[in-house]
Amino acid sequence: EAGVTQFPSHSVIEKGQTVTLRCDPISGHDNLYWYRRVMGKEIKFLLHFVKESKQDESGMPNNRFLAERTGGTYSTLKVQPAELEDSGVYFCASSPQGREETQYFGPGTRLLVL
Amino acid sequence: KQEVTQIPAALSVPEGENLVLNCSFTDSAIYNLQWFRQDPGKGLTSLLLIQSSQREQTSGRLNASLDKSSGRSTLYIAASQPGDSATYLCAVLNLYNFNKFYFGSGTKLNVKP
Repeated sequence: EAGVTQFPSHSVIEKGQTVTLRCDPISGHDNLYWYRRVMGKEIKFLLHFVKESKQDESGMPNNRFLAERTGGTYSTLKVQPAELEDSGVYFCASSPQGREETQYFGPGTRLLVL
Repeated sequence: KQEVTQIPAALSVPEGENLVLNCSFTDSAIYNLQWFRQDPGKGLTSLLLIQSSQREQTSGRLNASLDKSSGRSTLYIAASQPGDSATYLCAVLNLYNFNKFYFGSGTKLNVKP
């Protein structure tokens, strides 16, 4: 069974540019989560999808971040415009329906904003 | 608001030593606590999960304990090996909102051959 996959693995962009991160959850998992770890800090929750609906987006830092999950399959996280403080590792996780406590994490996307 | 702290931030030990990693959390109303391992460039791998009603869990050379009332957990690694070198993360799920993990900042472990 394939795990959670994320693309790209690394991204280097300049301040003010736009970047889109993609996450493909484990097949059949209704729950999809985004987390991020900025430099020197702990991993923090960004948002939670149940199928295509945003269940909880309390961790989204500001309106420069837009997450979508078209058709309840893969998800994208767009940062527009990117700022220096957005640099970090963005993790995606997924879990089966009704099993929010069992989250499987992807390898992360390392974003560097110059 | 739940806050999770891990001590030490980094640890370097010779192969064969037994070691303890510490985790503390501020809100004792937790659903469960998990210890994860992260290798460079890889995702998070769940090592041990302790439900709020449990005191400890064991897997091979790993033993995790939970003292919910004092807000503490420890991860004990016996007879450490170079392959144990990684970052170890402690994370809790709150009882009233268990869709999100609260993570500590991790302990980076280096086991020297």
